[in-house]
Amino acid sequence: GALVYQYPRRTICKSGTSMRMECQAVGFQATSVAWYRQSPQKTFELIALSTVNSAIKYEQNFTQEKFPISHPNLSFSSMTVLNAYLEDRGLYLCGARDPGGSSGNTLYFGEGSRLIVV
Amino acid sequence: GDSVTQTEGQVTVSESKSLIINCTYSTTSIAYPNLFWYVRYPGEGLQLLLKVITAGQKGSSRGFEATYNKETTSFHLQKASVQESDSAVYYCALAPTGANTGKLTFGHGTILRVHP
Repeated sequence: GALVYQYPRRTICKSGTSMRMECQAVGFQATSVAWYRQSPQKTFELIALSTVNSAIKYEQNFTQEKFPISHPNLSFSSMTVLNAYLEDRGLYLCGARDPGGSSGNTLYFGEGSRLIVV
Repeated sequence: GDSVTQTEGQVTVSESKSLIINCTYSTTSIAYPNLFWYVRYPGEGLQLLLKVITAGQKGSSRGFEATYNKETTSFHLQKASVQESDSAVYYCALAPTGANTGKLTFGHGTILRVHP
């Protein structure tokens, strides 16, 4: 079946430092990877959508300068939170799309990387 | 833009009782969106529970079901008899139709607590 591994599960970083998280798709080819953030007391918010061989599309309020993403092949993506501050804390999820499955834009998610900023 | 509204906060149900978590959606797209329910069990990641991509159809999984109603723009989640193991956070979500989109719009999540 389609599995997505995400790591690290949890990071505590000092204010102003950076955190890198990785996402690995197993059992399918992740042509698209979506990165989401769930801030405290909020729902999941799309940061950016990365499609192999296409430009990464960032949502409003999120920029490449702050959240650089790499998607070098069909099984791996990474995102970094640069200069993390309190407002960046939350659960970061990567969702990988399986184009080989039935239609419906199904995203398979990793377990999330929780960022704690101190 | 797109939005999803679902039953807010926490729902507490006794084991073996029925459950309904409401979900309504709105979209600016002219095409009917794809609808999903995701679930997050304690200590685990977000999992797809069920999905429906055709208006009027019903999706089901693990005893849960949801019917895509385009007239009322609703996708309520129901289960006839819940179990304690169903305790989790449930998210209703929609995605625009299209082969190259992976963008999901989520509701705020509903915490389900099933007590014995």
